[in-house]
This record gives sequence, structure tokens and C-alpha cells, in this order.
Amino acid sequence: DADVTQTPRNRITKTGKRIMLECSQTKGHDRMYWYRQDPGLGLRLIYYSFDVKDINKGEISDGYSVSRQAQAKFSLSLESAIPNQTALYFCATSDAGTGGQETQYFGPGTRLLVL
Amino acid sequence: AQSVTQLGSHVSVSEGALVLLRCNYSSSVPPYLFWYVQYPNQGLQLLLKYTSAATLVKGINGFEAEFKKSETSFHLTKPSAHMSDAAEYFCAVSSPNFNKFYFGSGTKLNVKP
Repeated sequence: DADVTQTPRNRITKTGKRIMLECSQTKGHDRMYWYRQDPGLGLRLIYYSFDVKDINKGEISDGYSVSRQAQAKFSLSLESAIPNQTALYFCATSDAGTGGQETQYFGPGTRLLVL
Repeated sequence: AQSVTQLGSHVSVSEGALVLLRCNYSSSVPPYLFWYVQYPNQGLQLLLKYTSAATLVKGINGFEAEFKKSETSFHLTKPSAHMSDAAEYFCAVSSPNFNKFYFGSGTKLNVKP
């Protein structure tokens, strides 16, 4: 969905490096989410934010941090990347709270490889 | 607590055959249920959703799913598979007040000519 964009689309980094994945949306939604996808495990929630001043940990937040710079922007950081953080990362927004029925809209994903 | 179980990580059908992808959920409150599809190298796209209206939900691309409370199921079906249906399918559960989604582990659908 072009309304949710993620940069970069692909990233290779080394163990111990700090990296940031960025997400922007033009849907006007308050709620934003970061997931990681691993083969056979589906999507697991890392962090979520219901508005600019609200940040919540998901299932697997250890080793990650987030920043909600504006309603439209939600960044995910790996403070010190490790190989088991190699995964496909998705950003999503939700229309809940804006009269919608809790549908999530996903970005195209960022494929991260940690060497 | 909420969770989703998808039976079968891989399903293979012939073109023109019935597609049945299974999803069972666990929820302590009336659930919202969703099916998403992921084509290779793409993000997730909403196929259909159940939000306590009609129990038979029709989605895009000819897919439909039926909410069965007694069986805690929300299986996805399509009468006749097309080659273009080959993708990975995810079932997800949420609730009106819970504000979080839980995804199943996914089912990869292969369609044989």
C-alpha cells in the first residue's frame, strides 16, 4: 500500500552497529505498529503507538527502541544489531480510533541482514 | 488472551480445485478476525475481515470466510484456485477494545497447473 512507506527496503549491517528503520504514512491514522516476520513464525509485534505521546512494548521489544516523531512517522532502531535480528520488518497503521474497524494497513517491508 | 492457530504451514492444490485454509482462534472477548495475503516480496494485503456483522464474509479475489463461534474457527475458502492465488496467507485476531493484533504463523498456498 503506497500510503505506508518504509525506508530502506533492504539493509545489510554488521553486528554491533546501530541502525534505524523509518516508516511514514499518509493515511492520517493515529495508530502505528512495528512487526518482524520470520519464516514459520508469522508476524510478531515489536512496538506500537496510539498517538505521538504514546509508546508501548509488544511481544519482542528487547533490543529495539522506537520514536514517534509525528503522527505520520514512526521509526524503529536497533541499538546494537545482532544476527538473530535478521528478519523482514513491517510497519503498519490502523484506522481504529478514527471511526474505522481496526483494520491494519502494511508497508512493503524492510529486509534486514545482520552479519 | 488471544491467539491464532493456522493448521498446515503449506497447502498445495491444483488449479481449479477448492482452496481451504484453516484458522482457529482463541479469544476471551468477541473477536475481530482477519485474513491477509502476502505475495512474494510484498507487504500484507487485507483479504477480508469479520467484525460481528454477517458470519459469512466475502473478500477480494473470490475468497470468503465463515465465522463459526461454536468451532472457534474462521476458515478461508475459494471455490476454484487460480495460479495467481499462490501466496502466503495469514489469519489474525483482535478485539474492539484490545487494540492489538495477533497473527497466525501463516500458510503458504501452492497452486499446481
